[in-house]
Amino acid sequence: KAGVTQTPRYLIKTRGQQVTLSCSPISGHRSVSWYQQTPGQGLQFLFEYFSETQRNKGNFPGRFSGRQFSNSRSEMNVSTLELGDSALYLCASGRGEETQYFGPGTRLLVL
Amino acid sequence: KNQVEQSPQSLIILEGKNCTLQCNYTVSPFSNLRWYKQDTGRGPVSLTIMTFSENTKSNGRYTATLDADTKQSSLHITASQLSDSASYICVLRTPGSARQLTFGSGTQLTVLP
Repeated sequence: KAGVTQTPRYLIKTRGQQVTLSCSPISGHRSVSWYQQTPGQGLQFLFEYFSETQRNKGNFPGRFSGRQFSNSRSEMNVSTLELGDSALYLCASGRGEETQYFGPGTRLLVL
Repeated sequence: KNQVEQSPQSLIILEGKNCTLQCNYTVSPFSNLRWYKQDTGRGPVSLTIMTFSENTKSNGRYTATLDADTKQSSLHITASQLSDSASYICVLRTPGSARQLTFGSGTQLTVLP
């Protein structure tokens, strides 16, 4: 069974631009959650989706948004990029409440 | 103050030796506590999961313990291997409508030959 896939794996953007990251969960998984990982802050929860509904949201500004499609694939969008948004963005999926299977992440660099 | 504190921040051991990583938390209540292993450049992989009422959980050479009274968890690695070099992260999930994950900052383990 294929694992969680994330695209793109690497991305370079400039300040003020926007970016969309994609996550395809493991087949059969309906829960998807997103995390930001930086050396200074570690892993931080962004949001969680189940069956196209956002179930929970972390403490991030409104520039961070996401959605989940009917096939459980999820996207997250960051608008008006700032230098501090440079991070590894991780997606995790699960069957029910637990999203414990992580993808490899998308490394975003904002210049 | 972080709700999940891990120690030590980094650890270097020789191959074949045992080690114990610590996780102190203030999150309460919580649904479960997980230990993850994250190799450099990869996503975290779940090693163990324990509910509030469990005291210990093993996964091969990895054994996690939980003391709800002292709010401490530990991850013991037996007979370390070079492939154990990674970051180990303690994560607690809060229950109910505020359900979310709180992460420790991790312990960076380096196993030397």
